Amino acid sequence: EAEVAQSPRYKITEKSQAVAFWCDPISGHATLYWYRQILGQGPELLVQFQDESVVDDSQLPKDRFSAERLKGVDSTLKIQPAELGDSAMYLCASSLGGTNTEAFFGQGTRLTVV
Amino acid sequence: GQSLEQPSEVTAVEGAIVQINCTYQTSGFYGLSWYQQHDGGAPTFLSYNALDGLEETGRFSSFLSRSDSYGYLLLQELQMKDSASYFCAVTFDNYGQNFVFGPGTRLSVLP
Repeated sequence: EAEVAQSPRYKITEKSQAVAFWCDPISGHATLYWYRQILGQGPELLVQFQDESVVDDSQLPKDRFSAERLKGVDSTLKIQPAELGDSAMYLCASSLGGTNTEAFFGQGTRLTVV
Repeated sequence: GQSLEQPSEVTAVEGAIVQINCTYQTSGFYGLSWYQQHDGGAPTFLSYNALDGLEETGRFSSFLSRSDSYGYLLLQELQMKDSASYFCAVTFDNYGQNFVFGPGTRLSVLP
């Protein structure tokens, strides 16, 4: 069964260091999302791609976060420099796009900033 | 902007029926989805309502009232494995691809 792949599953980093997460969506899915989820809360959208274009990054802290999806397939989310408050689960999701509204989530990357 | 409200916790016993409510305020509305997330796991899609009424999928049903900005997820014949967090999510653009999630409801099913 096709699934969204994310790596790494866990990451511990020191504050002020750079960290990157990778996501490979389900093949053929045009829409890719990065969400941040703090324990006990709902996922919060950071950035949404349609193919290689950003369609919504209004909640992305652009002074330290960046995201790219260069060929419209896999994607990388980067944080530089990391802060203690960035500790959270980072979830990637993808969907077919168009009128299909089901999003498929990866297992996420659990980030701990120390 | 968009805001969604859900009860933070619900507890029920095996075999019972439980309803998880979701109210929303959005600048636009396309549909309401429900996702399940077990501890340490990824959210998984349960259902989607774009029109008023009840959608049934096995033991789970979802209801939407657009005029009341309200929906609910109904879980019947509860099983221990249903213990999880449940999130409603609003799609608020006509393209149907932009989701905002609610805060989640933690369901505990007791034996």
